[in-house]
Parts: sequence; C-alpha cells; structure tokens
Amino acid sequence: LAKTTQPISMDSYEGQEVNITCSHNNIATNDYITWYQQFPSQGPRFIIQGYKTKVTNEVASLFIPADRKSSTLSLPRVSLSDTAVYYCLVGDIGTGFQKLVFGTGTRLLVSP
Amino acid sequence: DGGITQSPKYLFRKEGQNVTLSCEQNLNHDAMYWYRQDPGQGLRLIYYSQIVNDFQKGDIAEGYSVSREKKESFPLTVTSAQKNPTAFYLCASSSLPGLLVTDTQYFGPGTRLTVL
Repeated sequence: LAKTTQPISMDSYEGQEVNITCSHNNIATNDYITWYQQFPSQGPRFIIQGYKTKVTNEVASLFIPADRKSSTLSLPRVSLSDTAVYYCLVGDIGTGFQKLVFGTGTRLLVSP
Repeated sequence: DGGITQSPKYLFRKEGQNVTLSCEQNLNHDAMYWYRQDPGQGLRLIYYSQIVNDFQKGDIAEGYSVSREKKESFPLTVTSAQKNPTAFYLCASSSLPGLLVTDTQYFGPGTRLTVL
C-alpha cells in the first residue's frame, strides 16, 4: 500500500485559502487519492477523491500533478468550522474493497 | 435517512470483561470495517468484511472478534485479551464495484470505550 506523508499541523485565518499537500511517492496505477475530514469525537467524513488532474466539488478542490506522486487539497475561504484533522489516503478502489491506510493526518486550526 | 449507527456512544468496562460494540448500516453496502483510533493518532484497521458470513483480520485484530450474520450488522467484541482497549472505535461501510466509482467509506459516529 502506498504510504502518504502530510504536514502534522497548519494554521490559518478565516477567509484565507488553505492548501494541504500530501506526498505519495509509491502510488500505484490503480490507486485513487481520497481526502477525509474529521472533527473531534466524530467519524471521518469524505471530502473529495480523484485520480489525476483537478477535481472540484462544493467543498474543496484536489490538484494532482501528472506524475501523481503528490496531491494538494485546497479549501477556499476557510471558516472556523473548518478546524479539523484532514487525512490523505491512497488506495485501490477498483475492486470495491478499500483497505485504506490512515496516517496521523494534518491538524488544521483556523483562527478569527 | 440512510447511514451508519453505532451504539453506545460511550461505554465503560471493567478490566477482564468482554464488551460488544454495535454497528448497523442501512446503506445497502456489502463491505463493512472496524477501526480503532487512539488520541492524536490516525485510524487503524481491526477487522473488515466484504460479504455476509465472511470477514478478515486487519492490522490489529488481536483481542477482538467480529461476526457478520446480516448485511446490515457488523458487531465488534472487545475481549479481555485486548491489552489496552481504551480507545475510540469507528465503524465504516462501503459499496462494491458496479456502483458509483466515487463511492467510498462512510463512517459511523463512533463509540468511546473506557476500561476502568
């Protein structure tokens, strides 16, 4: 399974754009990149998923360069409620079974 | 409302006792998972099941047991053999191929187990 590396923590202010980069040098051809958000004492929540180039939804954007060895989660205009831990995961969902590996994530703190 | 429910939210257990955590889903998902999370750490996979009556050990299965008699239910038993059971336990489910390719794991609200 591809291992991911992401910053332990990041700080931001309300209204700013936040970019969290994840490194996954050993990503396999069938692997997708998925980001989850977790608030304290809650289960992780799916944010966005992609395979290559750029993916955007109502919550975030995901940028994946051509070599796919890294990815960047972009949160536009963060608010205090975006304070959470963000996990980058890499896994093969082609077979349906997803033995995903969660690292320690990036703890984002948004201040007023 | 479709989703995953876990009960109880908080659970206290005396050392040496077995305890069973409930996980139910009405998402019609075939695959279900149990994770353990310790403070400040990521999630670690305990057991997973891809289909009814079948399950596999994850990375930290020792001291735990599961059953999958129904598609909707995947209870986890924390046995007295688990050396350090105090943790936050999360259940998840996912669909199989043929459905939305962007479908991924949906998590329950978690059960916080404390051993006294």
